[in-house]
Amino acid sequence: EPEVTQTPSHQVTQMGQEVILRCVPISNHLYFYWYRQILGQKVEFLVSFYNNEISEKSEIFDDQFSVERPDGSNFTLKIRSTKLEDSAMYFCASSPQAGNTEAFFGQGTRLTVV
Amino acid sequence: DQQVKQNSPSLSVQEGRISILNCDYTNSMFDYFLWYKKYPAEGPTFLISISSIKDKNEDGRFTVFLNKSAKHLSLHIVPSQPGDSAVYFCAASAPNFGNEKLTFGTGTRLTIIP
Repeated sequence: EPEVTQTPSHQVTQMGQEVILRCVPISNHLYFYWYRQILGQKVEFLVSFYNNEISEKSEIFDDQFSVERPDGSNFTLKIRSTKLEDSAMYFCASSPQAGNTEAFFGQGTRLTVV
Repeated sequence: DQQVKQNSPSLSVQEGRISILNCDYTNSMFDYFLWYKKYPAEGPTFLISISSIKDKNEDGRFTVFLNKSAKHLSLHIVPSQPGDSAVYFCAASAPNFGNEKLTFGTGTRLTIIP
């Protein structure tokens, strides 16, 4: 069964460093998303991406964050200068179309900023 | 800004009985609702969805009920099985208004007692 894959599963980084979280969405999907879940809190939307551009972003997704689909298969989230409060599980998701359809989530990357 | 609320952080149910998980929302533009199941250290897994034109959707042991006037939905699992023990998230979106992002509730931890 097709699935969304994310790498790495766990990333530890020092405060102020740049990190890139990687995702391979399901191959025929058109919509891509990043969500995050801070420990003990709910899953929060960060950004959606369609047709090679951001279609929507949340207040959390400030200038420190960027997304890219560099090669037609990978979908990356970059955090330029990590802060302690960026520590969270980051989930990539994809969906095949717009409208009433579910998003499929990857297993997540646990980012720990120290 | 809690547009989607799950007021029960936890629920314990005897194996074989019915589990009922509840969710309330405040945004009238939401017209598509989903339930996701999540195990620790994994991404959310889609369970079942319902669009606002329906009041019930059934898939095997899982049934979702939607009461639009009350802005309330519920997930029924019957009969409950030990493998159902997980955190369940309600989510909502407004795809007919061009908003594909999912807004999640805080989750309910379901424990099935053998």
